[in-house]
Amino acid sequence: AQSVTQLDSQVPVFEEAPVELRCNYSSSVSVYLFWYVQYPNQGLQLLLKYLSGSTLVKGINGFEAEFNKSQTSFHLRKPSVHISDTAEYFCAVSASGGYQKVTFGTGTKLQVIP
Amino acid sequence: DVKVTQSSRYLVKRTGEKVFLECVQDMDHENMFWYRQDPGLGLRLIYFSYDVKMKEKGDIPEGYSVSREKKERFSLILESASTNQTSMYLCASSYTGAVQETQYFGPGTRLLVL
Repeated sequence: AQSVTQLDSQVPVFEEAPVELRCNYSSSVSVYLFWYVQYPNQGLQLLLKYLSGSTLVKGINGFEAEFNKSQTSFHLRKPSVHISDTAEYFCAVSASGGYQKVTFGTGTKLQVIP
Repeated sequence: DVKVTQSSRYLVKRTGEKVFLECVQDMDHENMFWYRQDPGLGLRLIYFSYDVKMKEKGDIPEGYSVSREKKERFSLILESASTNQTSMYLCASSYTGAVQETQYFGPGTRLLVL
């Protein structure tokens, strides 16, 4: 079975400051990792995903994430946040070799302060 | 662009009522999903479907059923609504069932059961 942990339920950060949203996963097999974003009153949309290859993955809106197999982490980063980045961010994992079942984390609310 | 629509943004129902939540996708996706989203719990999979008339239970199927008579439409049914089913319901679809596929989400239906 796979699982994902987002340790921070809320992260406040000032505008133009850098941010890191943490995600750790567990799985007994190889995994695929995702970050989704949910803006207020909207559904989720994909920010980026790691399938294989380079461990540094770049996504939309200036976000990037790094896959670290030894630490079983997939932290999301942005060097300078904007007010428009205020949203809830979900880390998700799916395990290779099986039918599609994605396990989502509990979410991290990013609050960008002007 | 993929478009996933849900029949209602907000619904208020009484305990014991039968409730239908409808979801339509316009990209000929094979897979469709129903999740519920609750604060602090993230997204939990209720049911998914990988083909017309095919369905699989997710992590929390109790109290729910689904119907997929046409490829583009996936319905979630609450046979007898209860107050603990008050939640945000999100529909999603993906092109295939491969574990690395991106899921595309609708805007959600916020259901209140009184």
